[in-house]
Amino acid sequence: DAGITQSPRHKVTETGTPVTLRCHQTENHRYMYWYRQDPGHGLRLIHYSYGVKDTDKGEVSDGYSVSRSKTEDFLLTLESATSSQTSVYFCAISESVLPTTDTQYFGPGTRLTVL
Amino acid sequence: ELKVEQNPLFLSMQEGKNYTIYCNYSTTSDRLYWYRQDPGKSLESLFVLLSNGAVKQEGRLMASLDTKARLSTLHITAAVHDLSATYFCAVALGGKTSGSRLTFGEGTQLTVNP
Repeated sequence: DAGITQSPRHKVTETGTPVTLRCHQTENHRYMYWYRQDPGHGLRLIHYSYGVKDTDKGEVSDGYSVSRSKTEDFLLTLESATSSQTSVYFCAISESVLPTTDTQYFGPGTRLTVL
Repeated sequence: ELKVEQNPLFLSMQEGKNYTIYCNYSTTSDRLYWYRQDPGKSLESLFVLLSNGAVKQEGRLMASLDTKARLSTLHITAAVHDLSATYFCAVALGGKTSGSRLTFGEGTQLTVNP
C-alpha cells in the first residue's frame, strides 16, 4: 500500500469554525490531490498540487484552501465550515503525469461532520 | 465540462453469473481508471486503460476501453461474494506538468448474493 496517512480520521465540528485536514505521504510523490466523496456524486476534486507551493483549484474548490510547504504534506483548510461540507475527504498521490505512472493512490479518508 | 456516467448504479447478482458495468464519458481522454471501494474503506486501484482497444484482466474482472465511443466496460465473470463492493470509473484530464485531474462516475454498488 502507498504510504499515505490522513489526520484526523474523524472530526465533528461546528458551523463557522475553521478546520484543517492533513495528508502525509512517505512516497516522495510530486502530485497530491484532495477529493470529497458524497452519495450520488462519486468523488469530486477540490484542489491539487503539482509541487511544493504549486497548487490549483479543482471542481469544487469554493470554501476550501490548501497549502503545501513540504513534499510530504498537503493541508486542506475549511476556512469557515458549513453543513454542506459534511463529507468524507480523501487525499491521493501520484508519482508523475506520464501515462504509465500517474495512477492515483488514495489515503484512508477523513470523515468530517459539521453541525 | 467532462461528464462521466456509469450504469447501472446498483447491481444485485447471483454468484456464478456474468455481468457488465458501463462507463461513458463526454470528452476525449487518453486514460481511464477503474477503482474498487469496500464499505467504509479507501479506493483501491484496479485497472488503468491507456489506449483504444486496451483490455486488462485480473481474476474475474476484465476492463476494456473504446476511445472512439468514449466507453469503458468492466466485465464480471462468474461472480463470487468477495466481489461485492462499489466500483468507480474515472477519466483523466490534464497531465503535462500540472497533474492528472480525475473525474469520477457515481459508482456502481455491486452485491453478489449466494
